[in-house]
Amino acid sequence: EIVLTQSPGTLSLSPGERATLSCRASQSVSSSYLAWYQQKPGQAPRLLIYGASSRATGIPDRFSGSGSGTDFTLTISRLEPEDFAVYYCQQYGSSPSFGGGTKVEIK
Amino acid sequence: QVQLVQSGAEVKKPGASVKVSCKASGYTFTSYGISWVRQAPGQGLEWMGWISAYNGNTNYAQKLQGRVTMTTDTSTSTAYMELRSLRSDDTAVYYCARGDYGEPGYFDYWGQGTLVTVSS
Repeated sequence: EIVLTQSPGTLSLSPGERATLSCRASQSVSSSYLAWYQQKPGQAPRLLIYGASSRATGIPDRFSGSGSGTDFTLTISRLEPEDFAVYYCQQYGSSPSFGGGTKVEIK
Repeated sequence: QVQLVQSGAEVKKPGASVKVSCKASGYTFTSYGISWVRQAPGQGLEWMGWISAYNGNTNYAQKLQGRVTMTTDTSTSTAYMELRSLRSDDTAVYYCARGDYGEPGYFDYWGQGTLVTVSS
């Protein structure tokens, strides 16, 4: 089973700032089968990024994903008020798993 | 538009079973698969397993093997998840999510979630 470790656990930033979230895998993620989701309180997760760097339909271009192998990054170029939420990475090989999440909170 | 609509909240006693439904609309049901993901209160996301609506193949998380069964009814475009021998740590919001037909894939649409509470 691939274990995903996200860091930091909490990121305190102001609107307009840049957010950089990390996701590290315990073994190489095949074919860059890595996705990122955003979750707000009381809501289902929303797909942001798949294939490590492809934006899902309707996702603003301030969200970008990068990385390969065992190290992946989600970047939010300029935080908007609606971006404060919890973010999860997920590898979607034959036995998917999620990271523990990074909470992006208002500083 | 793609929608996944889940059944309502459940309260169960330890040892009982629960069956949650997920009705799909707005797309060809048999061209995709459905995964089930749960989230305990205040915790992260846990993938439970996947079923292909194309051919009924399943893939369950190892920790739930023997306690979970996922099925589909293609005539009504509905997926089901049954969890047996419920314990208090099964208390969670259970989500269905659309994925690939051949393997779990990433999840582009999610149901609204079903709260299952296990309590004596």
